Formats: sequence, structure tokens, C-alpha cells
Amino acid sequence: KNEVEQSPQNLTAQEGEFITINCSYSVGISALHWLQQHPGGGIVSLFMLSSGKKKHGRLIATINIQEKHSSLHITASHPRDSAVYICAVFGSSNTGKLIFGQGTTLQVKP
Amino acid sequence: GAGVSQTPSNKVTEKGKYVELRCDPISGHTALYWYRQSLGQGPEFLIYFQGTGAADDSGLPNDRFFAVRPEGSVSTLKIQRTERGDSAVYLCASSLGLAGYETQYFGPGTRLLVL
Repeated sequence: KNEVEQSPQNLTAQEGEFITINCSYSVGISALHWLQQHPGGGIVSLFMLSSGKKKHGRLIATINIQEKHSSLHITASHPRDSAVYICAVFGSSNTGKLIFGQGTTLQVKP
Repeated sequence: GAGVSQTPSNKVTEKGKYVELRCDPISGHTALYWYRQSLGQGPEFLIYFQGTGAADDSGLPNDRFFAVRPEGSVSTLKIQRTERGDSAVYLCASSLGLAGYETQYFGPGTRLLVL
């Protein structure tokens, strides 16, 4: 079993829909990253959080440390949101080494 | 430059050859990370540096892989006797410090294809 699991692996939505991507992890962590990767493109950090909730534009990330679970929400989804979304955690050894989930491929259709 | 850069962007080589992949981190970033991403998978950790020293190389798959960062800035990932299974995107990232709460900034990756 992977230390970081994401669901769903693939997601197709219609423009305007509310989207949720889930991430569960089995190790102790100091912080969690949500990353975005466009086809053929580099990885961009969306959020880094260790507690509570963060919001940036139409994106919201939440984390529940006790339940070892995080969610990434996209409101009013748009085709340009189509990308791979990756959850990654920093282990609690605090070395900066990231442990990645397998990614969720999102396609938003117009 | 403003971001992490990697060269080459694409590399095609033949099985058994030696390759070097270069990473230029953001200026002032002391921590540098190498990851490998196979098609359809999330990245996996290879090695990271704090300054010139490799702080953790536990992700290197075998002794054909080696990485250096001699002056604490640019890093080179070296792969000897390449195998078809080494084909992947090799990602470099850097951060201000080596800690579990520093944002990592990723380069565009080097796409390695071993024929």
C-alpha cells in the first residue's frame, strides 16, 4: 500500500461543476503539498498546509491531521483546470523529502 | 533566472550509454532535490542535497545512479550503463532550506528515453 493515496485516479467534469480530489496518507507528516501538473509541463505548487484550510481563488484545500486526510476543491471548474493534481507530504522527520501520491487526472469539458 | 532550470529538456540515448542531467536551482536555495516520474505515476524521490552534501540518497535505485553538487548550486544527475527502464521524466526542485515546511519549486524536467 502506498503511503499517500489519492482518489479518484481520473475525473471528468463539466465546466462549472464543483470538484473534490481526496488524499489520504499513512505516515506522520509535518506538512502537505497540493501540486498541479499540466500535460508536458512542470509541476507548480498550489498549496502547502499543515492544518485547517487555505483558499486561493477558486481553489480550496483542507486538511484533517487526526484523520490523515486532505481534500482539494475546485469551485466553478473551467477547462483550463484540466491537469494532473498531485498530493505530496513531508514526513515528520522534517527533512524536506516529499512523498507523492500517484496523482489525479482531471479533465473539465466545456 | 527566476525559476529552476533543467537541461537538456529531452534526451534520447541508447541502452548502455552514459547520460548527465543538469539542474540549476533558484539562486540562494540551499536545498536541492531530484525526483523521477514514470508515465502515469506520481514523482518518486531519488536524492536531495543540503549545500554540497547529499543529505539523503536512499531513493537512488542502484549504483548506476549518482548525483553531485560540487559548489552547492548546480547539480548533475549521472546515469551509467542506461537501461530501458530508466526512461522517465527526471525532475529537479529547490527550496530555501531543508525543512518540512519549505515550498519546493520544480523545474520543467528532463525527459529521458533509453532505446
